Amino acid sequence: EDKVVQSPLSLVVHEGDTVTLNCSYEVTNFRSLLWYKQEKKAPTFLFMLTSSGIEKKSGRLSSILDKKELFSILNITATQTGDSAIYLCAVLWPGANNLFFGTGTRLTVIP
Amino acid sequence: SAVISQKPSRDICQRGTSLTIQCQVDSQVTMMFWYRQQPGQSLTLIATANQGSEATYESGFVIDKFPISRPNLTFSTLTVSNMSPEDSSIYLCSVEARGRADTQYFGPGTRLTVL
Repeated sequence: EDKVVQSPLSLVVHEGDTVTLNCSYEVTNFRSLLWYKQEKKAPTFLFMLTSSGIEKKSGRLSSILDKKELFSILNITATQTGDSAIYLCAVLWPGANNLFFGTGTRLTVIP
Repeated sequence: SAVISQKPSRDICQRGTSLTIQCQVDSQVTMMFWYRQQPGQSLTLIATANQGSEATYESGFVIDKFPISRPNLTFSTLTVSNMSPEDSSIYLCSVEARGRADTQYFGPGTRLTVL
């Protein structure tokens, strides 16, 4: 059963476009939600979200969490070809120390 | 963030053989995690390795197939035993970030192909 669901599964955009990636999860009481970027093998940490409604921002990337509706979004503005990657969402359940990952969104940015 | 290295970076192995993957961290960490990412799939936790105790395996993973060592606070190994083509995956170790609870950083990964 899928507890962390990401959408879309894949996305192709042109440079300069803005994209919104979605992550929804089932468990209401969780500790943290994390976003990672995976270009080759190793996921690179982007954001950790614990509080609803507070936006995390880093350059052209931003993310926000909605604990009431059980989802998070990752926004990328003015996309560049270097943003092409798989974006992974992961959740830490209560009482657990390991991350439970979603299926990922494969983003391709074409010139 | 912790600097994590893994060896080997990649390998091609014959079925029935075993491969040991090493994970080295530049600082002492309590917990280390081993994940597997099969082709086209997301990451799945294999086991959690604490220093001085047996690793804790997730459902579907057993010690005989994936023995883990954790001899000290900066090092761990994962062995993939009696390999089959279904074991072809990327294997990743991760650690919890110091001072940033709940944030995990990943090593560069080991890409394993089993023929």
